Amino acid sequence: EVQLVESGGGLVQPGGSLRLSCAASGFTFSSYWMSWVRQAPGKGLEWVANIKQDGSEKYYVDSVKGRFTISRDNAKNSLYLQMNSLRAEDTAVYYCALERWDTAMVFDYWGQGTLVTVSS
Amino acid sequence: IQLTQSPSSLSASVGDRVTITCRASQGISSYLAWYQQKPGKAPKLLIYAASTLQSGVPSRFSGSGSGTDFTLTISSLQPEDFATYYCQQLNSYPPTFGPGTKVDIK
Repeated sequence: EVQLVESGGGLVQPGGSLRLSCAASGFTFSSYWMSWVRQAPGKGLEWVANIKQDGSEKYYVDSVKGRFTISRDNAKNSLYLQMNSLRAEDTAVYYCALERWDTAMVFDYWGQGTLVTVSS
Repeated sequence: IQLTQSPSSLSASVGDRVTITCRASQGISSYLAWYQQKPGKAPKLLIYAASTLQSGVPSRFSGSGSGTDFTLTISSLQPEDFATYYCQQLNSYPPTFGPGTKVDIK
């Protein structure tokens, strides 16, 4: 059974940093693209970033470029999102998502999400 | 690529046929997916490639369309279908989602 478990969320002040983690199990992690998708409270879904199987390609939404870094450790079956220079508008539930093997950017499985709150 | 959905919300009864529309700001071929989200839960993939049903999803869900206009149809609404539905384009980076359509009980 595919499982994605996010952690690392919490309350942080504007300008601060946070590192999210996603522990994956139940599939061959190193064979799949992985994404982060976020959802501000009461709002819709926004894709944040994704990373290729070997980490050689990474893509970001414009609003986080230069501030967020996606990475992965295939030996630990883990996905990460380093978030720096956080802003109030980054407040959201952050989901780790597994992309389909045959169709990039289709999110097959999702974690339960971790809440990031940026506030003073 | 911007996506719009209509309606933004609707009220329906169990057994009703429900249709949700998604329109893209430019042609995206069949690179469209649909998700269902219930309150406090992660989204769930329903349909991808505009009309391919994800494994395990009931056959009352169907998708159609290509280019710029797409529809999600629920042929006979069930109690567990009351949720918010999002379309998503995967034609080009960044993948984007529609604003959602909330389906609630009439």
